[in-house]
Amino acid sequence: GEDVEQSLFLSVREGDSSVINCTYTDSSSTYLYWYKQEPGAGLQLLTYIFSNMDMKQDQRLTVLLNKKDKHLSLRIADTQTGDSAIYFCAEKVGSYIPTFGRGTSLIVHP
Amino acid sequence: DGGITQSPKYLFRKEGQNVTLSCEQNLNHDAMYWYRQDPGQGLRLIYYSQIVNDFQKGDIAEGYSVSREKKESFPLTVTSAQKNPTAFYLCASTPGNRGGGQPQHFGDGTRLSIL
Repeated sequence: GEDVEQSLFLSVREGDSSVINCTYTDSSSTYLYWYKQEPGAGLQLLTYIFSNMDMKQDQRLTVLLNKKDKHLSLRIADTQTGDSAIYFCAEKVGSYIPTFGRGTSLIVHP
Repeated sequence: DGGITQSPKYLFRKEGQNVTLSCEQNLNHDAMYWYRQDPGQGLRLIYYSQIVNDFQKGDIAEGYSVSREKKESFPLTVTSAQKNPTAFYLCASTPGNRGGGQPQHFGDGTRLSIL
């Protein structure tokens, strides 16, 4: 099975909060990342969290980490149409190269 | 501004032809990576290099080759042995301390299609 799993699609109304979820399998993950990819572009780092943290907030973005359940979430407050993109979760174990999920397509409609 | 430049943006390959995708960075990063992205498949690692004149195969290296003659440059060649090359190719880099949490920086990608 996959090391990092995400649902493929999420649809929200403009102004609502979006919550994108990610589960991972390796309990020794050290860093967990969220990237955003707009159409035809590369991945842009949004935020990342060290595994000894439970939460990290940066303006409209809130990352929650549940180490017991190996669950990571990204909450986007007041979602705007410009937030429509693919969001990738990635985990890094020690010195190894990060493993990426398949990405969640966020669709924001008026 | 520092960053990663991939060229060309779009590339077309004929049957039996090798093509080379360019990746240049001016971030002074030691490590560079090539990923392949297919719809709904996420990112799959093709090759990576932690230092000049050294590189390692990733998960899907068959049909691809790379070189790392300069720190700034990590070109990817898609050979005729790669039977399904149509995909979006992404180049990335990190400062090189793999034990740290430095995230990868990505270029804007090259879309390769078969003629």
